[in-house]
Amino acid sequence: GAGVSQSPRYKVAKRGQDVALRCDPISGHVSLFWYQQALGQGPEFLTYFQNEAQLDKSGLPSDRFFAERPEGSVSTLKIQRTQQEDSAVYLCASSSTGPIDTQYFGPGTRLTVL
Amino acid sequence: QKEVEQDPGPLSVPEGAIVSLNCTYSNSAFQYFMWYRQYSRKGPELLMYTYSSGNKEDGRFTAQVDKSSKYISLFIRDSQPSDSATYLCAITGNQFYFGTGTSLTVIP
Repeated sequence: GAGVSQSPRYKVAKRGQDVALRCDPISGHVSLFWYQQALGQGPEFLTYFQNEAQLDKSGLPSDRFFAERPEGSVSTLKIQRTQQEDSAVYLCASSSTGPIDTQYFGPGTRLTVL
Repeated sequence: QKEVEQDPGPLSVPEGAIVSLNCTYSNSAFQYFMWYRQYSRKGPELLMYTYSSGNKEDGRFTAQVDKSSKYISLFIRDSQPSDSATYLCAITGNQFYFGTGTSLTVIP
């Protein structure tokens, strides 16, 4: 596609609900990244995939966060039992090779946990 | 200590001014230096990319890297109201590390 797309753009969840956020990377991009951006802050790294392999998940804040990319293209970030502190914009980015390559970002999913 | 430090501003300048945005970083092994621009409710978009000390120019934008001081800068000449956005520095080692972003407003 023309760029990275994410859905939904906005999500409101009640505390304790599970949510799933989708990312469609640029076609043919090998690497996919998830970031969490709190209000007024820069993006914070969550996890990184190269094709279907999750090579780094050191940024996931707790075991409630889970990401997958089963066919090396679309990725889903799942948050179980959401908490208020999970409220943030979740950004997805893709690059043609690895972490040192230019990353192209999607518009983000704004998650609000009530 | 965070890997990348950036003054969050906000910064407000009149149209036509020269803007200077800065970041410092902690790890001398970092190799690649980028500046992203982020408009409200949008994802970051890449502005400039460099991997060596010195200056790189692209139109009204100049990126400067001083590896000896672990200091990077972005200069915007003849600033325009459309430049109003948050500017994020990003530095890579094995991961991307972003600064907190500097909010810039260019007043017509």
